[in-house]
Amino acid sequence: EDKVVQSPLSLVVHEGDTVTLNCSYEVTNFRSLLWYKQEKKAPTFLFMLTSSGIEKKSGRLSSILDKKELFSILNITATQTGDSAVYLCAGGAGNNRKLIWGLGTSLAVNP
Amino acid sequence: DAGVIQSPRHEVTEMGQEVTLRCKPISGHDYLFWYRQTMMRGLELLIYFNNNVPIDDSGMPEDRFSAKMPNASFSTLKIQPSEPRDSAVYFCASSTVAGVPYEQYFGPGTRLTVT
Repeated sequence: EDKVVQSPLSLVVHEGDTVTLNCSYEVTNFRSLLWYKQEKKAPTFLFMLTSSGIEKKSGRLSSILDKKELFSILNITATQTGDSAVYLCAGGAGNNRKLIWGLGTSLAVNP
Repeated sequence: DAGVIQSPRHEVTEMGQEVTLRCKPISGHDYLFWYRQTMMRGLELLIYFNNNVPIDDSGMPEDRFSAKMPNASFSTLKIQPSEPRDSAVYFCASSTVAGVPYEQYFGPGTRLTVT
């Protein structure tokens, strides 16, 4: 059965810290790995990765995919309170647009 | 663009009642997804449509759940009869083949409470 596992489930840090969120996947006909951020509302898209070793960056956030070891990491540097959210990882498979979702990592950034 | 629109935003109902959730996808999007989110199970895909046709409904929990998409701009998810274990946030999302592959745009969700 396809699955996506995220770790840790929750994390509490102080502003300015750097965090690394983990996502491992077992997805048949894997095509892409996506990261979403969910504050107290709907998930919003952050990154999509399809190739190993190529880092995607957006400001203080960056992500990389390892297709050999079947995992991805999301790094957030110099964290701010506005980064507090649940970060969701999802695997895209085949041509059907379906995503397999992890349970998420709940990140709390304290001032 | 108004984004994905869902209604109602909150629904409180008694066990046994029928519940209908509504979704308007982003104009021009050809995929529509219904999800349910709970703390225990996370985001679960219930059903998705492509060009108004249901493609995969394997996530629909049981016969009490049904979904329709009569046209490209409207979809409903119906629960009849509702049960307390159906309490969750229900999200609708849409996507397009012309966009980033697999990227889905989510509506604000409907928080359903069944007492």
